[in-house]
Amino acid sequence: NAGVTQTPKFQVLKTGQSMTLQCAQDMNHEYMSWYRQDPGMGLRLIHYSVGAGITDQGEVPNGYNVSRSTTEDFPLRLLSAAPSQTSVYFCASSYSRTVNTEAFFGQGTRLTVV
Amino acid sequence: DAKTTQPPSMDCAEGRAANLPCNHSTISGNEYVYWYRQIHSQGPQYIIHGLKNNETNEMASLIITEDRKSSTLILPHATLRDTAVYYCINGNKLVFGAGTILRVKS
Repeated sequence: NAGVTQTPKFQVLKTGQSMTLQCAQDMNHEYMSWYRQDPGMGLRLIHYSVGAGITDQGEVPNGYNVSRSTTEDFPLRLLSAAPSQTSVYFCASSYSRTVNTEAFFGQGTRLTVV
Repeated sequence: DAKTTQPPSMDCAEGRAANLPCNHSTISGNEYVYWYRQIHSQGPQYIIHGLKNNETNEMASLIITEDRKSSTLILPHATLRDTAVYYCINGNKLVFGAGTILRVKS
């Protein structure tokens, strides 16, 4: 198992550009989520999904879109990048949001918006 | 989601036990306590979780008070590689706080 794979690892965008951060897991997990982490701070939840076709907003959803067409993939789209979106983005997956098991995290995507 | 409270930082001597406290006084009766750690901006790593009984695995031990209002994560023999930010979380919705920066010193 590869676990949770995020691509790209690094990205520089210009203000106003759009892009998609990819997240894939091969563990057949129902629950997937996206976080951002700003310097010196904890992780904040952007969006999450409890299964294919179901997504919901987290704590800081503005400026981001998600979709979940398959169990394996949960891409995060930045519609029009802003410098305030400069951050490290982490994707996570777990078996279920209601079953008490561990979550697995990707290694992060470091995004800089100039 | 219930909030947890952790000290912002702690130091520990290499080879000694590191005891990291967490206050979760508003935890619900069926919510588990989870511990994760994050080493140098890598993705968080699961350590251990428990409901009301003490738990132990190859990484750590988790002691939960009888009233479930607080818990302690114990790293029995801390090494330099255990230097990280440690997060205590209520329930499996993964709401992160600021965590505790543990510095293991030689």
